[in-house]
Amino acid sequence: GAGVSQSPSNKVTEKGKDVELRCDPISGHTALYWYRQSLGQGLEFLIYFQGNSAPDKSGLPSDRFSAERTGGSVSTLTIQRTQQEDSAVYLCASSFTPQDGYTFGSGTRLTVV
Amino acid sequence: EDKVVQSPLSLVVHEGDTVTLNCSYEVTNFRSLLWYKQEKKAPTFLFMLTSSGIEKKSGRLSSILDKKELFSILNITATQTGDSAIYLCSIHSGGSNYKLTFGKGTLLTVNP
Repeated sequence: GAGVSQSPSNKVTEKGKDVELRCDPISGHTALYWYRQSLGQGLEFLIYFQGNSAPDKSGLPSDRFSAERTGGSVSTLTIQRTQQEDSAVYLCASSFTPQDGYTFGSGTRLTVV
Repeated sequence: EDKVVQSPLSLVVHEGDTVTLNCSYEVTNFRSLLWYKQEKKAPTFLFMLTSSGIEKKSGRLSSILDKKELFSILNITATQTGDSAIYLCSIHSGGSNYKLTFGKGTLLTVNP
């Protein structure tokens, strides 16, 4: 595709429910990041995928968070048993190689009520 | 742990003013420094800096990196209301995995 596509753009969920956020990176991009941005905060690193290497999960805040990247392309970020503090904008970015500048998607705004 | 500190956190100026945004960092295995502009949701890429002392320029925006003093500045001349945004500084650090660490950003508001 022409850019990084994220869906849904907005998601409102009840506390305790599971949610799945999707990221379609630019075709051919091998590097993919997930970030979280809370109101007034910078971007918080969550997880990084590079090709077929094991992902860097060091930023995931708890075991309720997990992410997959199937076939080196589409990625899903799953949050189980959502809590109100999970409310944030979740941003995905991809790059052709780790050394290049990253292209961000428009994000998913998650609101847990 | 890699650290990126931006200052000021927010800034209000009038159209036509010149602004300087600051970014200092502490990282192991520095690869590059990247500036992004975030207006609504998606940050958009501005500059990537890898070498000290070489200014990158795009229109009214310019940026330079000092790898000895571990900082970068982003200058915007003749500001316009469309420059109002959050400006994010990030560091790409290397090793077996590449990590992109962001500062909290500078919120710039340009009033007419």
